[in-house]
Amino acid sequence: DVKVTQSSRYLVKRTGEKVFLECVQDMDHENMFWYRQDPGLGLRLIYFSYDVKMKEKGDIPEGYSVSREKKERFSLILESASTNQTSMYLCASSLGEREINEQFFGPGTRLTVL
Amino acid sequence: GQNIDQPTEMTATEGAIVQINCTYQTSGFNGLFWYQQHAGEAPTFLSYNVLDGLEEKGRFSSFLSRSKGYSYLLLKELQMKDSASYLCAGMDSNYQLIWGAGTKLIIKP
Repeated sequence: DVKVTQSSRYLVKRTGEKVFLECVQDMDHENMFWYRQDPGLGLRLIYFSYDVKMKEKGDIPEGYSVSREKKERFSLILESASTNQTSMYLCASSLGEREINEQFFGPGTRLTVL
Repeated sequence: GQNIDQPTEMTATEGAIVQINCTYQTSGFNGLFWYQQHAGEAPTFLSYNVLDGLEEKGRFSSFLSRSKGYSYLLLKELQMKDSASYLCAGMDSNYQLIWGAGTKLIIKP
């Protein structure tokens, strides 16, 4: 079974804090993704990575950065959290770059920025 | 632009059949995915279509018409546990998924 885990289910941070969201997958997948999910909106892609040390911007990268130092781990960083970054953050992984494969999702981190 | 449209919410009765529609516009097309997401949980993969026609998988079936930019998910013999959001996502020519906002399906006894 593919397993994608995220470091926290719930997180509360203050405006201006630096926030780290960690994601780990155990299936040797090449691709990893970070999305945010807000009511009434579809999943929106923040960043993705097709390989170690590689990253590409998604649709809404502003205010975020990522790190992929190891194949199994993909971290999302909010350099200075703001209230409009309150959201559900979902990490996903899939096989091989530019292949048609389903994405497997972690349980999500519900982040509240006060 | 790229866009996925699906109804916001639908209600159906336990034991009945429901069809959730999705229309899509993507830059290029590499298939259409359906995911199920229970409240507070991660989305899980249900189906993938890239050719026209119906794919059946137990109580769930998914249909695609490429010429119409249209797909539907058909759920038969509805059970209470089918209460969830159903997400439609089209894969574009860059192998990126474009997601709809999801359809919340409410099942009543």
